[in-house]
Amino acid sequence: NAGVTQTPKFRVLKTGQSMTLLCAQDMNHEYMYWYRQDPGMGLRLIHYSVGEGTTAKGEVPDGYNVSRLKKQNFLLGLESAAPSQTSVYFCASSPILGEQYFGPGTRLTVT
Amino acid sequence: KNEVEQSPQNLTAQEGEFITINCSYSVGISALHWLQQHPGGGIVSLFMLSSGKKKHGRLIATINIQEKHSSLHITASHPRDSAVYICAVSADKLIFGTGTRLQVFP
Repeated sequence: NAGVTQTPKFRVLKTGQSMTLLCAQDMNHEYMYWYRQDPGMGLRLIHYSVGEGTTAKGEVPDGYNVSRLKKQNFLLGLESAAPSQTSVYFCASSPILGEQYFGPGTRLTVT
Repeated sequence: KNEVEQSPQNLTAQEGEFITINCSYSVGISALHWLQQHPGGGIVSLFMLSSGKKKHGRLIATINIQEKHSSLHITASHPRDSAVYICAVSADKLIFGTGTRLQVFP
C-alpha cells in the first residue's frame, strides 16, 4: 500500500496563478484533511471531508477550495495564489475517529 | 493563549538519556495524539490515547484527563530519535501544538 500520496512535492507559483494539489489514499479511509504548516505555528486545518461528496471548512479556509468526488482523492485548489499562501501543505486521512495518516507534504512558494 | 501548549520548545540530550516532553491542553477532548516529524518533513502518528498509558518500544505516552496533561517519554534515547514531536488533541477538530524539537547527540 502506498498510504497517502501528494502531488506535486514542490511548486513555485506567481501571485495570481492557480493550481490544484492532489491527495490520494489507498486505505479506504472515510475522513480526509488538508493542513498547512508555517514556521513557528502548529499545523492548521484548511478544509476536511468526512466522506465522498462532502467537504467542510477548517480553521483557515479562505483562499482555498476543495473537492472530494472520489473517496480516495481529496483535491485542494488555489484559485488566485497569494504570497501568504507560501507554506508546506499536508494531506492526511483517517478512519472514523482513528489515527491520522499523513502524506509527505507539498512545499509551495508564491512569489 | 494556545489551546495546546508543549514544553519544552527545544530539547537537547546525550544518547542514552531519558527524555520527557509535556503537553497541556485547555479544551475538552475525545483523544490526544503524539506525532513525530523528521527533518525530511514527513509526519508519523506515534500514539492516539484517551486514557492511561501506551507503550511502543522505547516510547511511552501517558495522559491525565483530569489535569488535561500528557507526557511523551523516550527511554534510552538515540540520535535517530532527533525530530520534532507534536502533540494534538481531538476536540471539535484536531488542534496541534507547535512542537518540541529534540536533538540527541552521540
